[in-house]
Amino acid sequence: KQEVTQIPAALSVPEGENLVLNCSFTDSAIYNLQWFRQDPGKGLTSLLLIQSSQREQTSGRLNASLDKSSGRSTLYIAASQPGDSATYLCAPGYSTLTFGKGTMLLVSP
Amino acid sequence: DVKVTQSSRYLVKRTGEKVFLECVQDMDHENMFWYRQDPGLGLRLIYFSYDVKMKEKGDIPEGYSVSREKKERFSLILESASTNQTSMYLCASSISTGQSYEQYFGPGTRLTVT
Repeated sequence: KQEVTQIPAALSVPEGENLVLNCSFTDSAIYNLQWFRQDPGKGLTSLLLIQSSQREQTSGRLNASLDKSSGRSTLYIAASQPGDSATYLCAPGYSTLTFGKGTMLLVSP
Repeated sequence: DVKVTQSSRYLVKRTGEKVFLECVQDMDHENMFWYRQDPGLGLRLIYFSYDVKMKEKGDIPEGYSVSREKKERFSLILESASTNQTSMYLCASSISTGQSYEQYFGPGTRLTVT
C-alpha cells in the first residue's frame, strides 16, 4: 500500500525566502504526482502535475521535481509571499491518488 | 476552467439520519471521487467511479454508498449517519487521457453529525 510522507510538517519563514517542501512515497509504480494547495476550510487547488516520464514542472514561482526511482518529489517556492501561506499536499498515484498529510506553511511579512 | 461544485458548504444532521452529499462537474470528466479529510489522518478515499453506474470502493467505504446516474453527478450517501462521520467531505473529478489523471476538487462540505 502506498505511503506518502511530507517533511517538514510545518514551516514558518519570513517573506522573500526561497523554500523547499519534501515528499517521499514508498511505491514507485505511479503514473503521475500532483501538488496541491489548501487554504483553511477550503477545497484543494491543483498547483502542478508531473507525469512519471517527466523530471520537473514549473508554474510561475513554483517548481516541482520528481525522482520516481527513489520515490521523492520536491516543491520549490521562490521568493515566498504572505499569500503563499497554506497547507501544501503531495499526491502520487495512477487513476487514484494517495495523499500525504501536508506541510503547513506560514510566510510572515 | 474546470468547475466542481458541492451541494452544501456546511451541513448539520442528527445521528441515524440518511444524508445525501451531491457533487457536480461541468467538464465531462469520466472519473469522480469522494474523500473525507480529518485532522491528523489527511485525505482518505471513500469511493470512486470510472463511468456512469460504475463504482469502486476506496480505502474507507464502510458506512457509505454512492450513486452515479449521470456522468456529471456523483452522490455520496450516508445510510445512517453516525457521529464518527463528522468530517470534511471533498469531491473531485478527473479525465482519462492516457497521459494525465489530474484531479480537480470542489470546495468541500463540512458535515457535523450530532
